[in-house]
Amino acid sequence: AQSVAQPEDQVNVAEGNPLTVKCTYSVSGNPYLFWYVQYPNRGLQFLLKYITGDNLVKGSYGFEAEFNKSQTSFHLKKPSALVSDSALYFCAVRDMGYGQNFVFGPGTRLSVLP
Amino acid sequence: DAEITQSPRHKITETGRQVTLACHQTWNHNNMFWYRQDLGHGLRLIHYSYGVQDTNKGEVSDGYSVSRSNTEDLPLTLESAASSQTSVYFCASSGQYNEQFFGPGTRLTVL
Repeated sequence: AQSVAQPEDQVNVAEGNPLTVKCTYSVSGNPYLFWYVQYPNRGLQFLLKYITGDNLVKGSYGFEAEFNKSQTSFHLKKPSALVSDSALYFCAVRDMGYGQNFVFGPGTRLSVLP
Repeated sequence: DAEITQSPRHKITETGRQVTLACHQTWNHNNMFWYRQDLGHGLRLIHYSYGVQDTNKGEVSDGYSVSRSNTEDLPLTLESAASSQTSVYFCASSGQYNEQFFGPGTRLTVL
């Protein structure tokens, strides 16, 4: 079965500092991996995805994520955090051999302090 | 631009009433999903559909039903609303190998 873990409920970072939001996954086959962001009272917005190819993927708003197969991780990163990045972040995985369904992590709340 | 919409955005109902939440997408996606989001539980899958006339149960399907009569719509029905179904409901759609696109959500309160 597929599963996703986001080990930190909350991440605090000062504006201008780099940020990392962690995600680890478990699938039986090859994974599709995704990051989403949710602002208050809004739906989830797609940030980036890893399907195949380069392990470092770049997405919206300056975010990037690194796929590490040996560590089964897909951490979200940004070199310089903005206060406006404060939101709830979800990692999701889809097992390529298991149909179209996603499994979402529990979410990590990012707070960027001015 | 293609989009996914949900209606109503807010709904208050009473225990025992039937409620239907609408989801409409113009992406022409085959796959559509309903989730509920609750504090401490993240997103939980209620039902999903891979195409017209196809529906499947997710992890929290009890008390909910869906039907898929066309590509664009996947309405979610609560047959007899319960207070435990107070939640925020999100609809999503996706192409075969692509990310899911989410609607803005419906906040449902069952009194």
